[in-house]
Amino acid sequence: NAGVTQTPKFRILKIGQSMTLQCTQDMNHNYMYWYRQDPGMGLKLIYYSVGAGITDKGEVPNGYNVSRSTTEDFPLRLELAAPSQTSVYFCASSSPGQGAYEQYFGPGTRLTVT
Amino acid sequence: GDSVTQMEGPVTLSEEAFLTINCTYTATGYPSLFWYVQYPGEGLQLLLKATKADDKGSNKGFEATYRKETTSFHLEKGSVQVSDSAVYFCALSEFTGNQFYFGTGTSLTVIP
Repeated sequence: NAGVTQTPKFRILKIGQSMTLQCTQDMNHNYMYWYRQDPGMGLKLIYYSVGAGITDKGEVPNGYNVSRSTTEDFPLRLELAAPSQTSVYFCASSSPGQGAYEQYFGPGTRLTVT
Repeated sequence: GDSVTQMEGPVTLSEEAFLTINCTYTATGYPSLFWYVQYPGEGLQLLLKATKADDKGSNKGFEATYRKETTSFHLEKGSVQVSDSAVYFCALSEFTGNQFYFGTGTSLTVIP
């Protein structure tokens, strides 16, 4: 099991550019999440999904979009990148069948917008 | 709404010192509680968990007990090592699992 994988690991964007952060999990988890972590801060939930075709906003969804066409993949789209989106982005997954719903995290994507 | 409050850092300890990182929570239901650890440049890893009152989670010498009466889940380790230097996050999840609530993290540095 690879667990949760994210690509790319690092990216530099210019203001106004767009990009997609990829996230894939091979644990057959129904629930998937996107978080951002600003320097020295905790995690803030951007979007989450409880299954293919279902997505919902978290605490800080503005400037982002997601889709969930398969159980495995949960890409995060940034349109019109802004310096405020400079952050480390983590994807996570969990399964309601596991009782405690612990989340499994990917290694993160470090994004800089200049 | 639900929330998690953990002690502010950074915390600096000498090797073999005793560690406590305080965590308290607010929840509407009966949440599961977690401690995650983040090593430099890496993602979060589950350290331990507890799913009901009075449960004790333990792993790698770390322990935390789910205290419903004080709404707390403090992390402890009897003798820290340099390799324990990391950021520690307390978190909770209600039974639906739709959302996690993370504390702001506590940075720990252990010096030889």
